[in-house]
Amino acid sequence: EDQVTQSPEALRLQEGESSSLNCSYTVSGLRGLFWYRQDPGKGPEFLFTLYSAGEEKEKERLKATLTKKESFLHITAPKPEDSATYLCAVLYNAGNNRKLIWGLGTSLGVNP
Amino acid sequence: GAVVSQHPSRVICKSGTSVKIECRSLDFQATTMFWYRQFPKQSLMLMATSNEGSKATYEQGVEKDKFLINHASLTLSTLTVTSAHPEDSSFYICSAPRGLYGYTFGSGTRLTVV
Repeated sequence: EDQVTQSPEALRLQEGESSSLNCSYTVSGLRGLFWYRQDPGKGPEFLFTLYSAGEEKEKERLKATLTKKESFLHITAPKPEDSATYLCAVLYNAGNNRKLIWGLGTSLGVNP
Repeated sequence: GAVVSQHPSRVICKSGTSVKIECRSLDFQATTMFWYRQFPKQSLMLMATSNEGSKATYEQGVEKDKFLINHASLTLSTLTVTSAHPEDSSFYICSAPRGLYGYTFGSGTRLTVV
């Protein structure tokens, strides 16, 4: 079954304590993996798109990596303003169509 | 760039009434708009895909007569929740594809049916 699983479900860090969020997927015909940040009561905000295994992208304290079965979102020296839910989504070929499926997200809290 | 403006951000309505949610693409043309609903602590659930000038495609289990979608222009898509009931209370979000930048989302609409 095509699935996207994010872990952990929730994570609380101290300011400056680096960590990683995981997004594992079981789809074939991957066309792209997306990372988004969602603040409470807001729509998701685009962070990264990764297309192929081995690809890495960085933005400020965030770095996303991709393998053939999972992606990591590394957060280096997080700050309280990095607190949010981080969502992962996978776009893949499904027959003659493309499908996008979402993980449940990781709720990140960063203590000052 | 690539902003999707969604209104209203919050709406409270009485059971049995209809509510319209608008999503406008401000600086680009959105030939496709995705409509999602999201329950607390749950992922985005795709409800339907609207394409400018044609009928929307609804996901399995989504009542098309209850959730009316219109995409009459390249910059405006609307979702109307008809005869709303408390179980329709949710967070509704629209999204337009943006190629290399994934998908641009509206800011969401919190619907509460009382």
